[in-house]
Amino acid sequence: DIQMTQSPSSLSASVGDRVTITCQASQDISNYLNWYQQKPGKAPKLLIYDASNLKTGVPSRFSGSGSGTDFTFTISSLQPEDFAIYYCQQYDNLPFFGPGTKVDIK
Amino acid sequence: EVQLVESGGGLVQPGGSLRLSCAASGFTFSTYAMSWVRQAPGKGLEWVSTITGSGDSTFYADSVRGRFTISRDNSKNTLYLQMNSLRAEDTAVYYCAKAWYGDNYWYFDLWGRGTLVTVSS
Repeated sequence: DIQMTQSPSSLSASVGDRVTITCQASQDISNYLNWYQQKPGKAPKLLIYDASNLKTGVPSRFSGSGSGTDFTFTISSLQPEDFAIYYCQQYDNLPFFGPGTKVDIK
Repeated sequence: EVQLVESGGGLVQPGGSLRLSCAASGFTFSTYAMSWVRQAPGKGLEWVSTITGSGDSTFYADSVRGRFTISRDNSKNTLYLQMNSLRAEDTAVYYCAKAWYGDNYWYFDLWGRGTLVTVSS
């Protein structure tokens, strides 16, 4: 089975900060990597699919990059509504979510 | 309105059974694969199962294979999850999700609000 490492597990940031989260796969998964946002008590929301494609309607401050084993998710300028947990999700054989990164207020 | 609404959660004893339902609206249900994803209290997301649009193919996580059965009724725009031999570790919020599934992609672009399943004596 492919193992997913997501880092950091948590971070504190201020409004306006640039935030970067990484997801690493134990073997090549091409671009089969997606990113979700989940706020407390709410369902997850898809932000990025296929590593770098922004879902329609998602603000352009969110972006994703990478292929193979190393992937990056970036919020270019953190907004108050962005404080949440972010999950990567890979698809190689079956879907699997990373452990999540909690982004909270500094 | 495009939405998914889960129902059927509740308290069940270990070894018991429960059937979850997910009513879909606002999109052509039969066109899309559908999935269940769960989240134990205070924990991360765990994919549980996916069924293709026609219902011909189903996929399961190792943790539920042989105990859970996913199905759908395209005439009723409804997805189901039959859960048998429930264990304490199955306690979670169960989300229904619309899935994009194909040779080169598998992701979840629409989620319901979830229904809580508690397995306890």
